[in-house]
Amino acid sequence: ETVLTQSPDTLSLSPGERATLSCRASQIVISSYLAWYQQRPGQAPRLLIYGASSRASGVPDRFSGSGSGTDFTLTISRLEPEDFAVYYCQQFESSPRLTFGGGTKVEIK
Amino acid sequence: QLQLQESGPGLVKPSETLSLTCTVSGGSITTSSYYWAWIRQSPGKGLEWIGSIYYDGSTYYTPSLKSRVALSVDMSKNQFSLRLKSVTAADTAVYFCARLVERYYSYEGSGYYVYFDYWGQGTLVTVSS
Repeated sequence: ETVLTQSPDTLSLSPGERATLSCRASQIVISSYLAWYQQRPGQAPRLLIYGASSRASGVPDRFSGSGSGTDFTLTISRLEPEDFAVYYCQQFESSPRLTFGGGTKVEIK
Repeated sequence: QLQLQESGPGLVKPSETLSLTCTVSGGSITTSSYYWAWIRQSPGKGLEWIGSIYYDGSTYYTPSLKSRVALSVDMSKNQFSLRLKSVTAADTAVYFCARLVERYYSYEGSGYYVYFDYWGQGTLVTVSS
């Protein structure tokens, strides 16, 4: 089973700052199988990034994904008030099985 | 616009069976390249994938729940369902249904994208006597 470890647990930043979130896998993940989601309080997760770096429809271009192998990154270039939320990475493996990381909370400093 | 809506009891007694249904509107559950999935989130915790089903009935489950879970599809009603037996307090969670995309691509190499693109709003199920 591939375990996804997200860091940091919490990121305290101000609006306008850059956020860099990490997702590390316990074994190699095929990039096309790696996705990122945003979850605001009381809401369902929302797809941001699929295939490690492709933005989903309607997602602002301040969100970008990168990485390969076991290390993946979600970057928010300039935080807007609505971006303060919890972010999850997710991977698929051919067992088949899907797993999520533990999440990173981006909070207002 | 595709919409998913979970329904079912919000309270289940320990040792009984949790049953939820997801109704899909704005699109057909039989469309190829799409699986249908259940994910849960315990209070204050992260997301846990439970299992996925294709419209032809083929399924796959997370190993930790495989002995207790069953997914099914009702094409006539455009619905899919979750049954989780022998529940305990540890099964208390918000349960989400979602569409799982497995989309083939053939530019800059080839392969499949796999991701959840549409989610229901979620329904809280509490296990308590």
